[in-house]
Amino acid sequence: QKEVEQNSGPLSVPEGAIASLNCTYSDRGSQSFFWYRQYSGKSPELIMFIYSNGDKEDGRFTAQLNKASQYVSLLIRDSQPSDSATYLCAVRKGYKYIFGTGTRLKVLA
Amino acid sequence: GAVVSQHPSRVICKSGTSVKIECRSLDFQATTMFWYRQFPKQSLMLMATSNEGSKATYEQGVEKDKFLINHASLTLSTLTVTSAHPEDSSFYICSARRTSGGADTQYFGPGTRLTVL
Repeated sequence: QKEVEQNSGPLSVPEGAIASLNCTYSDRGSQSFFWYRQYSGKSPELIMFIYSNGDKEDGRFTAQLNKASQYVSLLIRDSQPSDSATYLCAVRKGYKYIFGTGTRLKVLA
Repeated sequence: GAVVSQHPSRVICKSGTSVKIECRSLDFQATTMFWYRQFPKQSLMLMATSNEGSKATYEQGVEKDKFLINHASLTLSTLTVTSAHPEDSSFYICSARRTSGGADTQYFGPGTRLTVL
């Protein structure tokens, strides 16, 4: 079992819809969770981090954490074609981050 | 967000030469930086952790004599690919760890695309 798992996609959503990206992790003791966005040919860009159970909102993005079920999700409201990218979930393990393989999101105009 | 720069952004070199990549945290001090490589359509692979003032910690399978890392200051880490070969061609990305305000996050540089002929 991988430490951090994501569906590779692609996840296709129409413009204006809500995109829901999911990530599960295996280490129940994990405390810190991160979402990065990576455009093709570019490096990852931090979108959000979440430490506590529940929701955390930042603009059109909402991160959701459920430690009991060991999943973290990212919701993107009012999706735009410019949101089309690969979204990487990361879990901090000590000082290192363990990255998932990413979910490719396509927002269709 | 924090700013991390990386130089050069792109390099093409001949087989057998060495290439140095610099990673700088521009607006914060980073005692820890990380070096990753990424092959097309694959996820990030952590190569090593760079600690200011001490030796780098390499991940299993990464040759420390081939990928030399120096973290000479709180804002600069360098990765030198020695005697590069075509199989070393990849996208190399550094990140800097920022711990402030109760948060502990990594910020990535823009990456260096290395092509070895």
